[in-house]
Amino acid sequence: GAGVSQSPRYKVAKRGQDVALRCDPISGHVSLFWYQQALGQGPEFLTYFQNEAQLDKSGLPSDRFFAERPEGSVSTLKIQRTQQEDSAVYLCASSLDQGEAGELFFGEGSRLTVL
Amino acid sequence: DAKTTQPPSMDCAEGRAANLPCNHSTISGNEYVYWYRQIHSQGPQYIIHGLKNNETNEMASLIITEDRKSSTLILPHATLRDTAVYYCIVRAYNTDKLIFGTGTRLQVFP
Repeated sequence: GAGVSQSPRYKVAKRGQDVALRCDPISGHVSLFWYQQALGQGPEFLTYFQNEAQLDKSGLPSDRFFAERPEGSVSTLKIQRTQQEDSAVYLCASSLDQGEAGELFFGEGSRLTVL
Repeated sequence: DAKTTQPPSMDCAEGRAANLPCNHSTISGNEYVYWYRQIHSQGPQYIIHGLKNNETNEMASLIITEDRKSSTLILPHATLRDTAVYYCIVRAYNTDKLIFGTGTRLQVFP
């Protein structure tokens, strides 16, 4: 498809399990972002890649959260030893390049529920 | 990035103009005003952005005050499909990161 694709759309995990969320950005897009959105809140920035380089990971809430984009295309957000407070929608976005007109295109998100 | 202030919710009758305000009194000279919206269960969608001039596209118009401390997003003829949360974001030109607030929940009613 032409848009940002995320999988799985829904994930239920037991507390303590590890989860991996995948993002396929729009082909050719240089920048990739991960956001976390709790119920009723705006999206909160987690981390940002330019190609394969992780330039900003200031929003990752703990060292249980890890993101990678090894070949500068697909990205994976991994959450280790999930906790109930990790329950949220995880949004991925991509943009063509850095700069003033860098519109971000968002996927539909992966909804994580931790029991 | 500068913070923005938006009303938590607004109503608008279908077919009427929806005017969504945003205050960004601490905006600096190199920061743009962006608007995104998020329809239920979808990712945010870009609407429009501007620096200091008013902007218009097929979706909306953006009016920025001369001192740039506030702006208004105008949906000229709101439809039921425009029901969404609208986010006003201030972003420096040299960074891609968007910092979202809590936005304005716009309800368009028949």
